[in-house]
Parts: sequence; structure tokens; C-alpha cells
Amino acid sequence: KAGVTQTPRYLIKTRGQQVTLSCSPISGHRSVSWYQQTPGQGLQFLFEYFSETQRNKGNFPGRFSGRQFSNSRSEMNVSTLELGDSALYLCASSLEPANTEAFFGQGTRLTVV
Amino acid sequence: GENVEQHPSTLSVQEGDSAVIKCTYSDSASNYFPWYKQELGKRPQLIIDIRSNVGEKKDQRIAVTLNKTAKHFSLHITETQPEDSAVYFCAARRGGGADGLTFGKGTHLIIQP
Repeated sequence: KAGVTQTPRYLIKTRGQQVTLSCSPISGHRSVSWYQQTPGQGLQFLFEYFSETQRNKGNFPGRFSGRQFSNSRSEMNVSTLELGDSALYLCASSLEPANTEAFFGQGTRLTVV
Repeated sequence: GENVEQHPSTLSVQEGDSAVIKCTYSDSASNYFPWYKQELGKRPQLIIDIRSNVGEKKDQRIAVTLNKTAKHFSLHITETQPEDSAVYFCAARRGGGADGLTFGKGTHLIIQP
């Protein structure tokens, strides 16, 4: 069974631009969560999607948004990029949201210059 | 919201010795506690998890213990090997999946030959 796939692996963007990251969950998994990983703040929860609906959201500004498609694939978007948005963005897939194992993708390394 | 504290931030042990990493959480509604291992440049990998209706769980050289009253849980690795060197993260999640995983800051485990 294929694991969680994130594309692209690396991105370099300029301040003020926007970016879209993609995540394909493990086949059969319907829940996708997104996390930001930085050396200073560690792993922080962004949002979670299940059945194409955002179930909950972490403490991030409205510039961070996402969506989920009917095939459970998910995208996240960051608008008006800031230097501080440079991070590793990880998505994790689960069978369902509540208390089940979450498996991470390799992540997208975003660098904002 | 939930807050997870993890100690120590760095742990160096001799190969063959045991390693213990400790985490405390603040929200008594949390009932799912996974541990992840992240090697340099790789994705976080789920290595073991425990739910609040269980006090201890083992998987070969790895064990996790949970004390709900004190709100702390620990990862125990016995007979450490060089491949155990990595950063380990603990996490907690509230029941019902109301929020995403809240992670500790991580422990860099170094296995000395």
C-alpha cells in the first residue's frame, strides 16, 4: 500500500506570493491533517479535513487555508507569503479523525525569500 | 488548549543502555498519546501509541507508560542501538478528535558507540 504522498518536495517563493501544496493520503484513509514544522516552534497543527469538511483549525492566520476533495486528496494554500512561513509542511493521513494512527508524508520544504 | 512538555531536549546514552523520555500534558480530556521518531531529513514515523484506558504498552524494545492521574507519559527504549539515534516527539490528542495532535518540542536521542 502506498504511503502518504506530498508534492512538491521543495519550493522557493518570494514574499507576497501564494503557494499551494498537495497531499494524497493512504488509500482508504479519509482524514488529512496538516502541520508546520520549524526549528523554533516544533510541530504545530494547522487544520484537519474529513469528508471534504474542515473539522478543526490550529492557531494560524487566515492566510493559511485548505480544502479536501472527494477522493480525500487535500491541498493547503498560503497567501501573501512572509519570511516566517519558511518551514517544512507535513500532512498526515488517518482512517478517521478520532484517536486513530496518523501517518506522515515526507513533507514540502517551503523557503520564502 | 492542550500543552505538552517534553524532557529532556537532548539525551545521550551508551549503546546497549536504556533511554527514557518523559512528557506531561495539561488537558485531562486528552486520551490518545502517540510517539514519533524523526530521523534527519525524513518524515516523523509513528513508533508506538497508547490510549487512556491502558497503563502500559510494549513493542519489542519500546514501551510507553501512561499515568492519567499525574498527566504524564513516558517512552522507554531498552538495549539501545545506533539506529535508535533520532529526534523523538510525544503528542497528545483530545477525545473525539476535537483538535489535532499537540506535540512536545522533541528529544534528540544520541546513542554513543
